[in-house]
Amino acid sequence: AQSVSQHNHHVILSEAASLELGCNYSYGGTVNLFWYVQYPGQHLQLLLKYFSGDPLVKGIKGFEAEFIKSKFSFNLRKPSVQWSDTAEYFCAVNAQVANNLFFGTGTRLTVIP
Amino acid sequence: ETGVTQSPTHLIKTRGQQVTLRCSSQSGHNTVSWYQQALGQGPQFIFQYYREEENGRGNFPPRFSGLQFPNYSSELNVNALELDDSALYLCASSRGVGTDTQYFGPGTRLTVL
Repeated sequence: AQSVSQHNHHVILSEAASLELGCNYSYGGTVNLFWYVQYPGQHLQLLLKYFSGDPLVKGIKGFEAEFIKSKFSFNLRKPSVQWSDTAEYFCAVNAQVANNLFFGTGTRLTVIP
Repeated sequence: ETGVTQSPTHLIKTRGQQVTLRCSSQSGHNTVSWYQQALGQGPQFIFQYYREEENGRGNFPPRFSGLQFPNYSSELNVNALELDDSALYLCASSRGVGTDTQYFGPGTRLTVL
């Protein structure tokens, strides 16, 4: 069975600090990987996705993620966070032969001005 | 905004009642997936509809059922409501199954008393 682990439940950073949120998945086959963000009071939005090719993917708002197949990881990074990045971040996996997303439990990011 | 709409926004029901939630998919999308997001958790896959047929189901009992209409809008029905059904119900649409990205609506907050 597939599963997704997000190790950080709540991360608190000051503005301009660098961010890295961990995501590990368990699945033996080929996967698609996603990061979604949920800003306070808003719906889930796609931040970035990896299907194939360059394992370093860039998304919106300066976010990027790196797929490391040997570590089953897809960590999210941003070199300098802003107060407006305060949100809940979800990592999700979709096996390419399946049709549903498996989500992690989410990481709440609080950025202090 | 993704173009995926859901109604109603909020709903309060009592245990044992039945509820119907509605979702309009984004233009050009023929696939709708439903997820349940309990407080403090990531979304969990309920089922997916592709061209009016159920195309996969998560670990939810049969009292969770759905429909997809010719215009690709969808309904989620829950019978015999239980207290644990209280959650945010999310609808996501995509252009197809498998590798296609899912775009989420704002959700319906269901409270069961």
